[in-house]
Amino acid sequence: AQSVTQLGSHVSVSEGALVLLRCNYSSSVPPYLFWYVQYPNQGLQLLLKYTTGATLVKGINGFEAEFKKSETSFHLTKPSAHMSDAAEYFCAVSVGTGNQFYFGTGTSLTVIP
Amino acid sequence: DTEVTQTPKHLVMGMTNKKSLKCEQHMGHRAMYWYKQKAKKPPELMFVYSYEKLSINESVPSRFSPECPNSSLLNLHLHALQPEDSALYLCASSPPGQETQYFGPGTRLLVL
Repeated sequence: AQSVTQLGSHVSVSEGALVLLRCNYSSSVPPYLFWYVQYPNQGLQLLLKYTTGATLVKGINGFEAEFKKSETSFHLTKPSAHMSDAAEYFCAVSVGTGNQFYFGTGTSLTVIP
Repeated sequence: DTEVTQTPKHLVMGMTNKKSLKCEQHMGHRAMYWYKQKAKKPPELMFVYSYEKLSINESVPSRFSPECPNSSLLNLHLHALQPEDSALYLCASSPPGQETQYFGPGTRLLVL
């Protein structure tokens, strides 16, 4: 069975500070891992994904994430927060095309000026 | 064309109405999905179509009826909905052989 845990439903950071959003997963097969961002009243936008290969993946808007198999983690980071980063962030795991995504419960990021 | 479009953007309907949501993509994706999302919650999968055939139905009530007329179009027909069905309805699609899902902007539905 697959599941995703996002620690911290709300995270606040100061503008310019490091952003760290945590995601841990459980999967019975090698997973595909994703981070999505959702701005108010909008759909989900893909930030980055890990499928195979390099475990450190870079995404849009300066975000990156590292797949750590030993820790079953896929934490999202950004060196310097910007006001425009304030949004809801979802981590998701998939086990194949045309199959279900398992979403975490989401983390709401607030950026303090 | 690299996006998933959804119409209408907003919809208000009574409990006796019949309405439809539309989703379209012209990226050659062959898997398409319907999700329901309540405020401050993750999306909940409703249906998956793979190569225009329904492959997953997550025990959705029959008042929601999906349809995939062709590889670019996905509809969700609504009938006799309840106020608790008010939510953001998201459509997504995946390229052949890939797991990544690309989401549309959603339809905000209010059932009165």
